[in-house]
Amino acid sequence: ILNVEQSPQSLHVQEGDSTNFTCSFPSSNFYALHWYRWETAKSPEALFVMTLNGDEKKKGRISATLNTKEGYSYLYIKGSQPEDSATYLCASYEFSGSARQLTFGSGTQLTVLP
Amino acid sequence: GAGVSQTPSNKVTEKGKYVELRCDPISGHTALYWYRQSLGQGPEFLIYFQGTGAADDSGLPNDRFFAVRPEGSVSTLKIQRTERGDSAVYLCASSLMAGGYNEQFFGPGTRLTVL
Repeated sequence: ILNVEQSPQSLHVQEGDSTNFTCSFPSSNFYALHWYRWETAKSPEALFVMTLNGDEKKKGRISATLNTKEGYSYLYIKGSQPEDSATYLCASYEFSGSARQLTFGSGTQLTVLP
Repeated sequence: GAGVSQTPSNKVTEKGKYVELRCDPISGHTALYWYRQSLGQGPEFLIYFQGTGAADDSGLPNDRFFAVRPEGSVSTLKIQRTERGDSAVYLCASSLMAGGYNEQFFGPGTRLTVL
């Protein structure tokens, strides 16, 4: 069973600020790292699926990096907007034995103040 | 196209009752997943199907929980003799194929409250 940790648990930023969060995961048996955004009253929405060490992905103002050797990923938001307010979840996919499942962290709840 | 849908959106039941939660995945998606999310936690894996068969049910907490996907499309999560600790949001997701490379598409969840 994986232990996926996210920090901080929550944060408040002003509109226009840039911010970043951390996801840490066990590096053994690593297969893939997923980031999801979950807005209140909506479904979780996939942001990125990352697999390779050193991988960097970008979608608009949001980007993510991956370090599989040390077991962490960063999510960056540039110039935060109120519509970025959501819970950001990371999940690690392990490839071990018969296990084929995503293990989620508890999420980082972001509030962007206008 | 239509996304993943779940019914009901909310379910309130009494301790000891039986409940069924339904998931309609995206058409053509062969993999289907069930998760449970308790307050302040991330989604917790319960079971996943590849086609009609349960490929990994290691997350089901006990034998009161059971899930089926008889025709490889719609899935039903069944909970017998519900307990107050079963109260949570139950999320369903589907992906084109199983495997860590494939993003999962989530439904809006069913909020189950056991009184």
